[in-house]
Amino acid sequence: QKEVEQDPGPLSVPEGAIVSLNCTYSNSAFQYFMWYRQYSRKGPELLMYTYSSGNKEDGRFTAQVDKSSKYISLFIRDSQPSDSATYLCAMTGQGGSEKLVFGKGTKLTVNP
Amino acid sequence: DTAVSQTPKYLVTQMGNDKSIKCEQNLGHDTMYWYKQDSKKFLKIMFSYNNKELIINETVPNRFSPKSPDKAHLNLHINSLELGDSAVYFCASSPGTSGYQETQYFGPGTRLLVL
Repeated sequence: QKEVEQDPGPLSVPEGAIVSLNCTYSNSAFQYFMWYRQYSRKGPELLMYTYSSGNKEDGRFTAQVDKSSKYISLFIRDSQPSDSATYLCAMTGQGGSEKLVFGKGTKLTVNP
Repeated sequence: DTAVSQTPKYLVTQMGNDKSIKCEQNLGHDTMYWYKQDSKKFLKIMFSYNNKELIINETVPNRFSPKSPDKAHLNLHINSLELGDSAVYFCASSPGTSGYQETQYFGPGTRLLVL
């Protein structure tokens, strides 16, 4: 079992839809959870950052972490064509030298 | 005023050649990284340097050698290139020494194709 599992999609939705992106993980030591957005032929950029369990909201984006289920989600409300990108979850443990483990990414297309 | 820059953007070369990729960050960060993203978009850490010192070295062939002349630069030299080295290589940096919990800022990537 891979440390981080993410459905690669592709996921295609109409503009204005609510998008749900998810990752599961196996390492219970993971404490820091991130979502990166990667546009085509660009480097990843940090979108959301959450420590431990709970929800975090930033504009149209909401990140949720359920450590008991080892499951994290990213919700995008009122999706826009500009949200079309690959979304990668990433996570790491408590120690400073522990590496950041990425999911494979989910490719999202929002159709106008 | 690019934060993390990489050169070249594209690199096409023959098997067996030696090549280098350069990375520079102007963010004043202490930690820099090299990642490899394969054809399936899987992003994996290769190396991490903090203030010119190697702190993470994943299971990477010895043909790959990072070099950090100062904390703003982390170059990647690859000897005897193989077909399987074809990928996109990303450089990244983060502010301090708290490790991977910190926000990492990625460069635009270098697309390497080995023929």
